[in-house]
Amino acid sequence: DAKTTQPPSMDCAEGRAANLPCNHSTISGNEYVYWYRQIHSQGPQYIIHGLKNNETNEMASLIITEDRKSSTLILPHATLRDTAVYYCIVRVGSNTGKLIFGQGTTLQVKP
Amino acid sequence: GAVVSQHPSRVICKSGTSVKIECRSLDFQATTMFWYRQFPKQSLMLMATSNEGSKATYEQGVEKDKFLINHASLTLSTLTVTSAHPEDSSFYICSAIAPGASGNTIYFGEGSWLTVV
Repeated sequence: DAKTTQPPSMDCAEGRAANLPCNHSTISGNEYVYWYRQIHSQGPQYIIHGLKNNETNEMASLIITEDRKSSTLILPHATLRDTAVYYCIVRVGSNTGKLIFGQGTTLQVKP
Repeated sequence: GAVVSQHPSRVICKSGTSVKIECRSLDFQATTMFWYRQFPKQSLMLMATSNEGSKATYEQGVEKDKFLINHASLTLSTLTVTSAHPEDSSFYICSAIAPGASGNTIYFGEGSWLTVV
């Protein structure tokens, strides 16, 4: 079973920041939090990952709470092309590539 | 980022026949790849772990004799759906681990749509 819970859907206005929450209260000390998104009929696209520090790259920022029980993915200026299903995943084991997907959050960016 | 490519992107086959889907890591070597299946409006379900030079590890409930996995080289894993039936119609996706400075990252292929008629 997936170790994460996410809201099933969210809306965001184009140009505004999209903040996608994720709960992972049973995460272990050596488990990373990964975020992917999937646009219809495509394979998942890697966005960002982190262990305990906040992370930022050209796509997004990842904010992880100090107790690591939850995190937030931030898309700073959402565009219509960011409409997708966003998956928050806790990586099983520190060196495996085995990812267990939950249901994700469907983000709808509106004009 | 690293690139994982799948082929074919779409395939239609007749019921009872077998179909092979390829997954390649284009700019890195992958000793381990993963195969997922996704039905419409559902999330990805992990089917199996493909190990280079050894047998694949299947998730509970996945028939190993029906979904044959071969990982003969460090850049190629294949999934063969044998004796396909309409209920095998699905979106099949592979992933691979690419080494990186801040931990290994997993990249996914574009996916392969299988329709069994």
